Amino acid sequence: NAGVTQTPKFQVLKTGQSMTLQCAQDMNHNSMYWYRQDPGMGLRLIYYSASEGTTDKGEVPNGYNVSRLNKREFSLRLESAAPSQTSVYFCASSDLRVTSNQPQHFGDGTRLSIL
Amino acid sequence: GENVEQHPSTLSVQEGDSAVIKCTYSDSASNYFPWYKQELGKRPQLIIDIRSNVGEKKDQRIAVTLNKTAKHFSLHITETQPEDSAVYFCAASALTTDSWGKLQFGAGTQVVVTP
Repeated sequence: NAGVTQTPKFQVLKTGQSMTLQCAQDMNHNSMYWYRQDPGMGLRLIYYSASEGTTDKGEVPNGYNVSRLNKREFSLRLESAAPSQTSVYFCASSDLRVTSNQPQHFGDGTRLSIL
Repeated sequence: GENVEQHPSTLSVQEGDSAVIKCTYSDSASNYFPWYKQELGKRPQLIIDIRSNVGEKKDQRIAVTLNKTAKHFSLHITETQPEDSAVYFCAASALTTDSWGKLQFGAGTQVVVTP
């Protein structure tokens, strides 16, 4: 049982390049999330998908797009990378409702540097 | 939207002493409060969570207390050990029967346990 799997683990990009971060979960969770973590800033929500077929903006969506490919997979795309997007990116999944208690589990993160 | 404030930002304790981290939230509809521990270079991991229908929950050396009236909740770690050194995040969410909850995180507390 792998939980939440993110690829790649590390990536270096040049300004203006594009890339897609991949995330897959095998816990049959309905909801998936993308966060970025910068030093001293905690975890900030970029986009989330409450259920398959829906996506919504979080706190810091500018410069990113997402795709909920199916129930298992949720990808994050940087169309034109900027140095300000240098960060650690975490994907998470959960199934949290009043009647359901599947807490949010995180992947191991993608460390992204943009030069 | 929900706003979660966490204090202190750093906490240094002697091994064997207790550590207390406090969080306040703004949305009275919030009813789910998890705590995550993140070791250096690792993913955040859930250590304990509480729902608003209980005031306190314990798991070995860790306990969480909730004061709904004052809108604050706290993490208590007793008999601290060096392996408790990490960043701790609190979070809050308003879960319903229909929607899948997203978490609003605090900024984190760096806990250092010195031998």
